Amino acid sequence: QSALTQPASVSGSPGQSITISCTGTSSDVGSYNVVSWYQQHPGKAPKLMIYEGSKRPSGVSNRFSGSKSGNTASLTISGLQAEDEADYYCCSYAVSSTFVVFGGGTKLTVL
Amino acid sequence: EVQLVESGGGLVQPGGSLRLSCAASGFTFSNFWMSWVRQAPGKGLEWVANIKEDGSEKYYVDSVKGRFAISRDDAKNSLYLQMSSLRAEDTAVYYCARANDWLCLDYWGQGTLVTVSS
Repeated sequence: QSALTQPASVSGSPGQSITISCTGTSSDVGSYNVVSWYQQHPGKAPKLMIYEGSKRPSGVSNRFSGSKSGNTASLTISGLQAEDEADYYCCSYAVSSTFVVFGGGTKLTVL
Repeated sequence: EVQLVESGGGLVQPGGSLRLSCAASGFTFSNFWMSWVRQAPGKGLEWVANIKEDGSEKYYVDSVKGRFAISRDDAKNSLYLQMSSLRAEDTAVYYCARANDWLCLDYWGQGTLVTVSS
């Protein structure tokens, strides 16, 4: 059960845009456009930010968007704000015996 | 409002057992797959186990197969994780979470800490 691959860290200045990638295989990310993205602040539970590739739950800012190309899904945050500084994780359905696989996580620093 | 509240965490010796519980409210529990996800100190999220709506299918990460058992009681709107033969590497915050149609999670509890140490 290999984890999806995310960069360990990304950074950006307030107002800028950043993109976090999540690379899998044809057995998970590449099979369906159903990746979810989570934001996690220290000591808190993960919060759903994007589901089914590009859909935003009610209450999530439209500064957060999701996309996919081939075996790689991406989370883009535009107009960076200080409160966006957090860890971000991707999750995908996987055509395997476990059905669920996470990315290793990306720490976003707002400079 | 969807709420998931875990309980049962604590300090346990290596080789010991512990049972985690998760009380669900605010949605029709019996209509959803449910999952346990853990996070070791300073590490990322790791899916542990999930269970189908009717309990007929259960899946586990390889590292806990044969040691952990997920179960549910739809009459009590509750999810459980029975953990046995615990190891130091099982030390983590354990989250109860509701699965969406594609089995990733949409709602999470606040987590319960399990520490395996002598």
